[in-house]
Amino acid sequence: DSGVTQTPKHLITATGQRVTLRCSPRSGDLSVYWYQQSLDQGLQFLIQYYNGEERAKGNILERFSAQQFPDLHSELNLSSLELGDSALYFCASSVLALADTQYFGPGTRLTVL
Amino acid sequence: EDQVTQSPEALRLQEGESSSLNCSYTVSGLRGLFWYRQDPGKGPEFLFTLYSAGEEKEKERLKATLTKKESFLHITAPKPEDSATYLCAVHLNDYKLSFGAGTTVTVRA
Repeated sequence: DSGVTQTPKHLITATGQRVTLRCSPRSGDLSVYWYQQSLDQGLQFLIQYYNGEERAKGNILERFSAQQFPDLHSELNLSSLELGDSALYFCASSVLALADTQYFGPGTRLTVL
Repeated sequence: EDQVTQSPEALRLQEGESSSLNCSYTVSGLRGLFWYRQDPGKGPEFLFTLYSAGEEKEKERLKATLTKKESFLHITAPKPEDSATYLCAVHLNDYKLSFGAGTTVTVRA
């Protein structure tokens, strides 16, 4: 158990809908990262927050957004969902923001029908 | 372009048959190389962090080494419970973590 928690574990929804994924980092970690893992793309970095502020952006679509709250938990919002958004979404956390070891949560499996 | 390449894609081993996985990278400024283990449908589990060429880290049957261009994950006398996908990742200059595609290891009893 890495100490990172994610909810829900599974999410099934329809195209065009909006969902919110939630992540709580390890105690003491200030950085939160979001990743998408699909069969044909591997693990893709989406976005990083450090102590409430956006720090780095990866291949995140405009339909996706995230935020980190004062209690350091983070939410990833996915809107106008498409079939291709079906994937595993992982959250990771680390103490610092730079070149630090990241610890991953168990993931949320999103299925868009 | 910065890139992380893992080989082989898949590795089938007999229990006790030692082997090595390779992770080669082309980044202009390595700020850390990480090894993770991932079981199907689960989150990546952290194994090792390596920061400089010549560094080695060990944990049970696993040993990770780092050179200027590549890293190796050596699995000594593997057991069936070592079956998993092993992921290599590097921190790029802009501090994003870039993952390789992974090596899926299957250990038969």
